Amino acid sequence: QKEVEQDPGPLSVPEGAIVSLNCTYSNSAFQYFMWYRQYSRKGPELLMYTYSSGNKEDGRFTAQVDKSSKYISLFIRDSQPSDSATYLCAMSAGYNNNDMRFGAGTRLTVKP
Amino acid sequence: GAVVSQHPSWVICKSGTSVKIECRSLDFQATTMFWYRQFPKQSLMLMATSNEGSKATYEQGVEKDKFLINHASLTLSTLTVTSAHPEDSSFYICSAHDRGSYNEQFFGPGTRLTVL
Repeated sequence: QKEVEQDPGPLSVPEGAIVSLNCTYSNSAFQYFMWYRQYSRKGPELLMYTYSSGNKEDGRFTAQVDKSSKYISLFIRDSQPSDSATYLCAMSAGYNNNDMRFGAGTRLTVKP
Repeated sequence: GAVVSQHPSWVICKSGTSVKIECRSLDFQATTMFWYRQFPKQSLMLMATSNEGSKATYEQGVEKDKFLINHASLTLSTLTVTSAHPEDSSFYICSAHDRGSYNEQFFGPGTRLTVL
């Protein structure tokens, strides 16, 4: 079993739709949860960062963490064509993130 | 914001040659840098962690003699793929941990290596 499971998609939605991206994990030591966006042939960029359980909102993006279920989500409201990218979840146990593990990434396409 | 650069952005080489990839933190000091490999449609796989002035720590299954990592300064780490073969063709991405920040890793733009 992989430490981090993420459906690779691809996921295609119309512009304006609400997008839900999810990851599950097996290591209960993970406490820091991140979502990265990666455009084609580019390095990942940090979108959202959360610690422990709960919700965090930033503009059109909401990250949720449910540690009891070992399940994290990223919601994108009013999706735009510019949101088309691969979204990777990542998580770590340590404060320094030296042990960060990534999901496979979900490829999202938002159609105009 | 923190910027990490990589050079070259892409490289094509013949089988058996060695390739060096540089990773630089441009506006911050990075005590720790990470090297990842990403195959098409797959996630980032951590290859090794390098700390300035010390030997790199390699992940299980990564050959340290094939992937030489040097972290000679707080702003530069290099990855050398020695005697490259076609199966080494991949997207190599570095990230750097800003020692002045809490725990965010800043990623470089990646280097696409194609071995013929």
